[in-house]
Amino acid sequence: SYVVTQPPSVSVAPGKTASITCGGDNIVTKSVHWYQQRTGQAPVLIISYESDRPSGIPERFSGSSSGDTATLTITRVEVGDEADYYCQVWDPSSDHAYVFGPGTKVTVL
Amino acid sequence: QVHLVQSGSELKKPGASVKVSCMASGYSFSNYYINWVRQAPGQGLEWMGWINTKTGEPTYGQGFTGRFVFSLDTSVGTAYLQINGLKADDTAVYYCARLWNWYFDLWGRGTLVTVSA
Repeated sequence: SYVVTQPPSVSVAPGKTASITCGGDNIVTKSVHWYQQRTGQAPVLIISYESDRPSGIPERFSGSSSGDTATLTITRVEVGDEADYYCQVWDPSSDHAYVFGPGTKVTVL
Repeated sequence: QVHLVQSGSELKKPGASVKVSCMASGYSFSNYYINWVRQAPGQGLEWMGWINTKTGEPTYGQGFTGRFVFSLDTSVGTAYLQINGLKADDTAVYYCARLWNWYFDLWGRGTLVTVSA
């Protein structure tokens, strides 16, 4: 089955930029989606198809993908951005068709 | 507004069964598959499978065959997750999520299932 990796944690100061990576074999060929999960809450879709933002998601959130790495970028980080972030891909070649990354905890210093 | 409304927390003994509900509101229930996602305490998200809300056909992810059963009641726009023969490591929050174009665009608030003697 397809394996996705993420760094366990990223720390960033308010107002700075955070980058969260999602690694996988030739991930650029897959559709990558990103979710934000604040403590005690359900996940929320923040980026679909590498770089599309659903209605209501600030422009500060953006995504990209190249080679073996997809990246979620948060600019002008706010205290409210502190959360776990998960990437997700669809892998129809395996039984585990929807694969989540292990998640990255973003801490705003 | 569109919502997925899940049933409340459950406390069960090992070996028992639990049935979690997920009621859709604000959209046409049969137009979107419902997926189930597990999150064990302090852990990440794990996809369990989906149910086709038109046909009722379930698809189970790796590790979720046998004791896990997805079902529907289309008359009330509700999907169900039943877990039989509960074990301590089934303790988790279970989310239902609406599938759209290979991603999950709408999530329920989650149902905590605690398995303890």
